[in-house]
Amino acid sequence: EVQLVQSGAEIKKPGESLKISCKGSGYTFTTYRIAWVRQKPGKGLEWMGIVHPDGYDTRYSQSFQGEVSLSVDKSITTAYLQWSSLKASDTAIYYCARHNTGLDYWGQGTLVTVSP
Amino acid sequence: EIVLTQSPGTLSLSPGERATLSCRASQSVPGNHLVWYRQKPGQVPRLLIYDASSRATGIPGRFSGSGSGTDFSLTISSLEPEDFAVYYCQQHGASHHTFGQGTKLEIK
Repeated sequence: EVQLVQSGAEIKKPGESLKISCKGSGYTFTTYRIAWVRQKPGKGLEWMGIVHPDGYDTRYSQSFQGEVSLSVDKSITTAYLQWSSLKASDTAIYYCARHNTGLDYWGQGTLVTVSP
Repeated sequence: EIVLTQSPGTLSLSPGERATLSCRASQSVPGNHLVWYRQKPGQVPRLLIYDASSRATGIPGRFSGSGSGTDFSLTISSLEPEDFAVYYCQQHGASHHTFGQGTKLEIK
């Protein structure tokens, strides 16, 4: 069974750093890219970027370029989304998803709350 | 980046009725790599249609997709209660993938 399991909810202060994770299982991890999607409370889906598990061809949406960093450790079949300095506007649910012919499997989401 | 505009913003229909949702791209979507998702309240999005018109695994036949280039649509032939949700289109033909803003399908 294909699964993407994300790390738990986080509460952070503005300016703090954060790294959340997404562990894939049940499939050949290196075959499919992992995308990250943001959903602010009550809002739509925003494509943040995508990374290949071999570490090449990482792409970022213009809206997120320079704001976040995507990485992968294929030895433990885990993808990461990282911030160096969080803002209150980063409060959202963050999803990882496997990119096939579309995003066919999704993680359960990680709620990130940034508040003073 | 390709901008996707979905219409209408909200669609009010009754169970059993036919729904047609639109997704228009600011430029042609390469390879017609246009997909549709349904997101029920409090749930993770689910892939319905890929490559504009192919149903994803396990998706019932009442869902169909059509279109090419810049104009795409999702049709639900006869609405079931679980279909009242938000629908998103997404393109992944260009190097930077993008979502539409969503169409909310609500019970009339």
